[in-house]
Parts: sequence; structure tokens; C-alpha cells
Amino acid sequence: GIQVEQSPPDLILQEGANSTLRCNFSDSVNNLQWFHQNPWGQLINLFYIPSGTKQNGRLSATTVATERYSLLYISSSQTTDSGVYFCAVVSYNTDKLIFGTGTRLQVFP
Amino acid sequence: EAGVAQSPRYKIIEKRQSVAFWCNPISGHATLYWYQQILGQGPKLLIQFQNNGVVDDSQLPKDRFSAERLKGVDSTLKIQPAKLEDSAVYLCASSLYRETGELFFGEGSRLTVL
Repeated sequence: GIQVEQSPPDLILQEGANSTLRCNFSDSVNNLQWFHQNPWGQLINLFYIPSGTKQNGRLSATTVATERYSLLYISSSQTTDSGVYFCAVVSYNTDKLIFGTGTRLQVFP
Repeated sequence: EAGVAQSPRYKIIEKRQSVAFWCNPISGHATLYWYQQILGQGPKLLIQFQNNGVVDDSQLPKDRFSAERLKGVDSTLKIQPAKLEDSAVYLCASSLYRETGELFFGEGSRLTVL
């Protein structure tokens, strides 16, 4: 099945710093989403982005489907950005949403 | 628009007991999913419904887990008998379209098996 790897696995930032999270996948996809799992366990939708670039406030995402990766940019990070960031994909061979390994982000004041 | 509703939020049981979780998806969403998330890991798909039919249950431990989605709306996930390794958060999600639809998750039901 499709493999979804995220990097880095852990990231520690000071408030105000910028960061880039990466998601690599091993097969062509027709669905890619980024989620933020907050400390209470809720999965919050950030982006639905099977291709192209989107921006929402301090966050933006880019998916280059032909090269099988997606990037999530966080600018001017805040302590509320802490949590685990997951990318999840649906490959053309299946209609299951498969989650990546996650990036744990800690933002300190 | 109301989100995905799940209950109970927390449940503590002893091993070999049974437990049931309930999910009400976003109105109009035909596809419903149950995921299991063990601490420190990403969510793992247990079962996927399209309306009231099962699309994929290949990772559902059928000797102890069962799920149904009567009338194509609400869904129930049951575990009987529970094992210690079933301690996890059970997440329900729904989407409008199966392959290309954006998934929306409920707050989850946290199960602790003692």
C-alpha cells in the first residue's frame, strides 16, 4: 500500500519563528489533507490540497503531486500552534485515507 | 452547520467487558469512517461505510469489533470483549464524496481498558 512519511518527526520553536513541514508519499494521490491534532486530541482540518497552493492566515500549503510531496508552512508561530500535524492521502488505487507518521510541534513563548 | 458528533467522550472499562461508541455524521455525508488512534501513532482506519453498506473493513478485528450504520446515517462501533490493547481514541469521520471528499472528524471517544 501507499507509504506516507512526514518530516521532521519533532520540531521545537520559539514563538514568532517560521517552519516548514514535509509530507512525502509513495504513489499518486487524488486526495491530500493536512490536519492539526490539538493537545485535547481533536483533529482540525487545515487544508484539502491534492494539488496546488492554498493559504489561510499564517498557514499555507503546497502540493506537488507529480513529485509526490506536500509542504505545510507555518509563519510567525504561536503557542497555540503546538500539537501534532498529520498529512493524510487517498491514492488512486484505493479510497482509504491513510495518515502519515506525524510531526510533533512544540512552540515555546 | 453541525459537525460530526460522537459519544461518549470517555469510557473506562475492565478487560473482557463490552463497550459501544456512537457517531452522527455531518448531514448529507454519505461516507462514514471509524478510525482507531493509539497513543503516539496516527489514526488507523477500521471500517468505512458508503451509505449503509460496508466499503472496507479489512483492518477491523472482526472477532471482537463490530460496526453498523443503519439507515445510512448514525453509526455504532462495538467492542466485545475488550482487551488491554484496545485502549485508544476512536475517531469517527464523514465526507461528502468517497475518493475525493474532504474528511471531517468528531472529537473522538477515549477508551481505557483496565
